[in-house]
Amino acid sequence: DADVTQTPRNRITKTGKRIMLECSQTKGHDRMYWYRQDPGLGLRLIYYSFDVKDINKGEISDGYSVSRQAQAKFSLSLESAIPNQTALYFCATSDPTAVVDTQYFGPGTRLTVL
Amino acid sequence: AQSVTQLDSQVPVFEEAPVELRCNYSSSVSVYLFWYVQYPNQGLQLLLKYLSGSTLVKGINGFEAEFNKSQTSFHLRKPSVHISDTAEYFCAVSFKAAGNKLTFGGGTRVLVKP
Repeated sequence: DADVTQTPRNRITKTGKRIMLECSQTKGHDRMYWYRQDPGLGLRLIYYSFDVKDINKGEISDGYSVSRQAQAKFSLSLESAIPNQTALYFCATSDPTAVVDTQYFGPGTRLTVL
Repeated sequence: AQSVTQLDSQVPVFEEAPVELRCNYSSSVSVYLFWYVQYPNQGLQLLLKYLSGSTLVKGINGFEAEFNKSQTSFHLRKPSVHISDTAEYFCAVSFKAAGNKLTFGGGTRVLVKP
């Protein structure tokens, strides 16, 4: 089984709808991240969480919110989706006790906002 | 602000030819350096990472990268590519002063032709 899973894998929605993307991990890592990928821009950090009680904004958090329900679960919400939020979204985890805080990625969620 | 630049957005290459993907970053402080690969319709997979020590780092699938501190570069190379190396490659830098969060380059799409 995959260590980092994301649901759904694909989602098409309409402008103004509320959307939740979910991420679960079995790696036992404390740190979790949400990124979006756009062509030519690489991955940009939306939110990150260093433990269940610690949530931080990344470089592009406007229009997004997150919830860390447990060590293993980290959800990303779009309260009112807009077309420029169409992108590929990745969840990642990392272990801060490792020599270097290497991140491990889920398979991604492709979101289309019409 | 820290930044990572991948100088080539696309690199076409013939099978069994060598390939070099260029990555430069802006920082005069300590960094950790990574290369990730994204195969079609998949998440990101770690190819290799530089933490310290030898400037030549070997990764999976025959890839290697060389850290050059004076040129702030971390170029990725493979002496002979296969069709299966067709993918998008991302350089990422973790700046210690920024809490070890990753900053990604824009990606280089490698297309291996028979």
